[in-house]
Amino acid sequence: SQQGEEDPQALSIQEGENATMNCSYKTSINNLQWYRQNSGRGLVHLILIRSNEREKHSGRLRVTLDTSKKSSSLLITASRAADTASYFCATDASGSGSARQLTFGSGTQLTVLP
Amino acid sequence: DGGITQSPKYLFRKEGQNVTLSCEQNLNHDAMYWYRQDPGQGLRLIYYSQIVNDFQKGDIAEGYSVSREKKESFPLTVTSAQKNPTAFYLCASSALAGTDTQYFGPGTRLTVL
Repeated sequence: SQQGEEDPQALSIQEGENATMNCSYKTSINNLQWYRQNSGRGLVHLILIRSNEREKHSGRLRVTLDTSKKSSSLLITASRAADTASYFCATDASGSGSARQLTFGSGTQLTVLP
Repeated sequence: DGGITQSPKYLFRKEGQNVTLSCEQNLNHDAMYWYRQDPGQGLRLIYYSQIVNDFQKGDIAEGYSVSREKKESFPLTVTSAQKNPTAFYLCASSALAGTDTQYFGPGTRLTVL
C-alpha cells in the first residue's frame, strides 16, 4: 500500500527558480526520506528527516516535516537543468510489525528548463 | 569501489520462462531488498532480507522467489506464475533493515515477449 503520496505529479520550471514538492502520508512514522531518480536509473538518497525534526538542510535542499499534518516538503533552490529527475518520498512507518520497511510514494517528475 | 550492482541491465524473456536477476553488494550491508517499478509509478516491495538465510515477503511477492545464501548476494527469480512481469526491477541494500538509508543498484529492465 502507498504510504506517501507526492504532489504535484509533474512540475516544470525555469533554471534558477525554486522547486517545491510535497509528500503526504497516512500513519505515524519514525523518519521520512527523499530520493532522486534519473530516468532509467536507480534511486539516490538525498536526505533523511526524523520524526522529532522539523527542518533539515543539505546544500540547495531544504526539507520540512509537519507530523501534525502528516506532510513533508522538499525545496530545491536555484534549480539547474541537472536537477531534472523524479523525486520520491519514502516513509518508515512505526508499529508496522517486527520488520520495518520503507514505503515509497509515486513521485514528482521535475523538469528544469534551461 | 563499494556499491551495489545488478545484472543484466536489459533482459528479455519469453512467456512461460523463469528468469533470474542478479544483485550483488560489497557494502557489508545486512539488509537487501527487491522492488518493482512500473512506468510513472513508485516502487513496490517484492521481497526483503534482513540477514543471511532469511527473507520476508513484501507487498507483491506472488510469482517471485528469492534466496539469500550469502550476505553479498540476493538474486530474484521471476517465475512463469508472475502474470505481468514486464517492469523495471531495482535492488537495494541498507546497513540496518528498514530504518536506514537504502542504496540502490542501477536496475534491470525486464521485458516479456
